[in-house]
Formats: sequence, structure tokens, C-alpha cells
Amino acid sequence: EPEVTQTPSHQVTQMGQEVILRCVPISNHLYFYWYRQILGQKVEFLVSFYNNEISEKSEIFDDQFSVERPDGSNFTLKIRSTKLEDSAMYFCASRGQGHYEQYFGPGTRLTVT
Amino acid sequence: SQQGEEDPQALSIQEGENATMNCSYKTSINNLQWYRQNSGRGLVHLILIRSNEREKHSGRLRVTLDTSKKSSSLLITASRAADTASYFCATDRDGGSQGNLIFGKGTKLSVKP
Repeated sequence: EPEVTQTPSHQVTQMGQEVILRCVPISNHLYFYWYRQILGQKVEFLVSFYNNEISEKSEIFDDQFSVERPDGSNFTLKIRSTKLEDSAMYFCASRGQGHYEQYFGPGTRLTVT
Repeated sequence: SQQGEEDPQALSIQEGENATMNCSYKTSINNLQWYRQNSGRGLVHLILIRSNEREKHSGRLRVTLDTSKKSSSLLITASRAADTASYFCATDRDGGSQGNLIFGKGTKLSVKP
């Protein structure tokens, strides 16, 4: 069964460093998302991406964040200058045209020290 | 912004018992979805109910939706130890074009063998 994959599973970085989180969505899906979950809190929407552009973003997704689909398979989230409060699980999700259910990857645990 | 809010926050039952979780939300929706998350893992889609549906079944899962009360419930019948997980409702905002989900805080279900 096709699945969303994410790498790395765990990323430790120092405050101020740039990180890139990678995702491979399900191959025939057209809508892509990033969410994050701070430990013990709810899952929060960050950004949605369709047709090679951002379609919607939340207040969390400020200028330090960017997304890219550099080729036909990868979907990346970049944080330019990480802060301590960026420590969280980051989930990528995708869905197909005409379907509402989203398929989530296993997440990347980002720890900013 | 709209939020799904589940109750109870935590639920502990014996194997074989039924588990009921409730969710409330604030604004109009296209659909409401329930997801499951095992500790430290990604979210798995369980069931989706559209705004014009009142009840839906999938195996041991039963979901109801009351749009007049802006609430939904998830019933898991004949629970098993393997059902131990956190359960989240997520709403797809009516009028939202890209299906980004707004999650509640979740119900942590513990099923004791």
C-alpha cells in the first residue's frame, strides 16, 4: 500500500541553524501539507501546497518557513533560522484529487538546542 | 479560528467495552474526520463523515454528526488493547479550498487487557 515517507526521523540542530525536512508524498496525490505537533499539544496546520504553489498558510508559517517541490516526488519544508520553540514533530500529508482524507507520514522529530 | 475539541481528554476502559469520544467545533464544515495516533507516530485516517450525513459505520467504528450542535462522536465497539492510542477529530473548513485540517486536542484512550 502506498505511503507517505519522511526523512530524517529525528533531527537535532542548534538554534539559528537552517533545517530541511523532506517528504515523499503518495505518487498520484496532488495536494500536500505540512503540520506540526509540539509535544503534548494538538496537531497544527502550517501550509498547504497545490499546483506548485502555496495555497494556504497559517500564522505559524512566517518568513522563516518555506516549502518547495523541487522535483516530481519530493516535498520539503525549510526553516531558515531555527528557534527553540520550533522543536516539535513535523508531519507531511498528502491527498488525492476528489478525496478529503489525508495520508500522513510518520513525522520528523525536530529538536532545537 | 475554528477548533475541534474532544472530550474526554483521557479514557480508560477494559477490553471488550465500548469507547465513546466526543468532538465539538465552531464553524461550518465540509466534512469531519477522525484520526488515530499511536504514541510518537503519524496520524492514521479512520473515517470521514460529510456535513450532509448523520451517521457512518466502518467495522467497529461508528461516527455521528450533528451539525446543528456542531458536534460529532466516535464510538469504538468491543475495544481491544490494540485500540490504545490518541484519537483526534479534524474539520475541513466549509469554503476552504484546499482541505487543510483543524485538529482537536485529542482523546487518549487506554484499553486494558
